[in-house]
Amino acid sequence: GENVEQHPSTLSVQEGDSAVIKCTYSDSASNYFPWYKQELGKGPQLIIDIRSNVGEKKDQRIAVTLNKTAKHFSLHITETQPEDSAVYFCAASKGNTPLVFGKGTRLSVIA
Amino acid sequence: NAGVTQTPKFQVLKTGQSMTLQCAQDMNHEYMSWYRQDPGMGLRLIHYSVGAGITDQGEVPNGYNVSRSTTEDFPLRLLSAAPSQTSVYFCASRQGIGRYGYTFGSGTRLTVV
Repeated sequence: GENVEQHPSTLSVQEGDSAVIKCTYSDSASNYFPWYKQELGKGPQLIIDIRSNVGEKKDQRIAVTLNKTAKHFSLHITETQPEDSAVYFCAASKGNTPLVFGKGTRLSVIA
Repeated sequence: NAGVTQTPKFQVLKTGQSMTLQCAQDMNHEYMSWYRQDPGMGLRLIHYSVGAGITDQGEVPNGYNVSRSTTEDFPLRLLSAAPSQTSVYFCASRQGIGRYGYTFGSGTRLTVV
């Protein structure tokens, strides 16, 4: 089955700097790649997603890139703010199968 | 529109006890799933359902039962609680074919002593 690896497990950046989180997946048939943000004591919340027919997608300060050949995708957060501090999860799925998640990245934005 | 509602938010069980974690959604979503979250392990799929009357096992199904008698509800039953089931449990739902984004509940923190 699908296996998703996520790096790094922790990331600290200065406020205003960029943050990049990377994930790799094993199943070349996977075609949907979402990113979730989880704040303390809350459930994960979808922040951006990308389908396999698109190479990049942006939403304000957040962007996701996908390299199908290398089977990896990345989350880019620019101009980081303290409220970006959270745990971020990547995930992958194919067709209508359930999402398989990475193990998460704890992002700390230092003011 | 409440989204995905999970109850209880916190629970302490003794080893061997049974209980049901409740999950309800009011978005008419076809798909519902249960995940458990443990430190350093991410979110692991326990069971999922693609519609009323249909359920299937995920990555870590042992010790858990589910049923889906209605579109709205997807309860998770712990048959005989074990300390290894201490975790945070999340229920999630999404629309059907072609709609992939999950909506998560706020979680149930379960401790088994």
